[in-house]
Amino acid sequence: GENVEQHPSTLSVQEGDSAVIKCTYSDSASNYFPWYKQELGKRPQLIIDIRSNVGEKKDQRIAVTLNKTAKHFSLHITETQPEDSAVYFCAASIWTGNQFYFGTGTSLTVIP
Amino acid sequence: DTGVSQDPRHKITKRGQNVTFRCDPISEHNRLYWYRQTLGQGPEFLTYFQNEAQLEKSRLLSDRFSAERPKGSFSTLEIQRTEQGDSAMYLCASSSGRISTDTQYFGPGTRLTVL
Repeated sequence: GENVEQHPSTLSVQEGDSAVIKCTYSDSASNYFPWYKQELGKRPQLIIDIRSNVGEKKDQRIAVTLNKTAKHFSLHITETQPEDSAVYFCAASIWTGNQFYFGTGTSLTVIP
Repeated sequence: DTGVSQDPRHKITKRGQNVTFRCDPISEHNRLYWYRQTLGQGPEFLTYFQNEAQLEKSRLLSDRFSAERPKGSFSTLEIQRTEQGDSAMYLCASSSGRISTDTQYFGPGTRLTVL
């Protein structure tokens, strides 16, 4: 099955700086890649997703890029704020209605 | 709150006991998923339903685990003869089943502790 690797496992940035989290996947059939934010003790919340027919998607301070050839995708958060501190998970699936394969998570800390 | 709900939020049980969790998906969502999450890890897929039909089960789902969605609405996950290794957060998610907008929305989870 699919194997998703996520790096780094922890990331600390100064408020206002950018944060980048990278994921790789193994199954070339995967074509849907969501990112979830999970605050301590809370449910995972979808923050952005991308399908394989596009290479980049932006939503305000958040962007995701996808390189299907290299089988990796990245989450970019600009102008980070303390409320961005959370654990971020990437995931991959063959289609949106299928099971997700999650990465191991990145704990992001934004230092005020 | 019209999101996915789960009950109970926390469950403490002794090894060997049976436990049952409930998930209520977003209204009219056809697909319902169960995941398990342990500390420091991402959610791991257990099983999913399309309406009342259980379409896929992970190898993680041993014969002590059973899930149902009898009327295609809420779902239950039962663990029989619990073991300490079953301690985890059990997450439920639902999606519309329409390919173009089929995002999975997660519930708050049920945290199981097996003593």
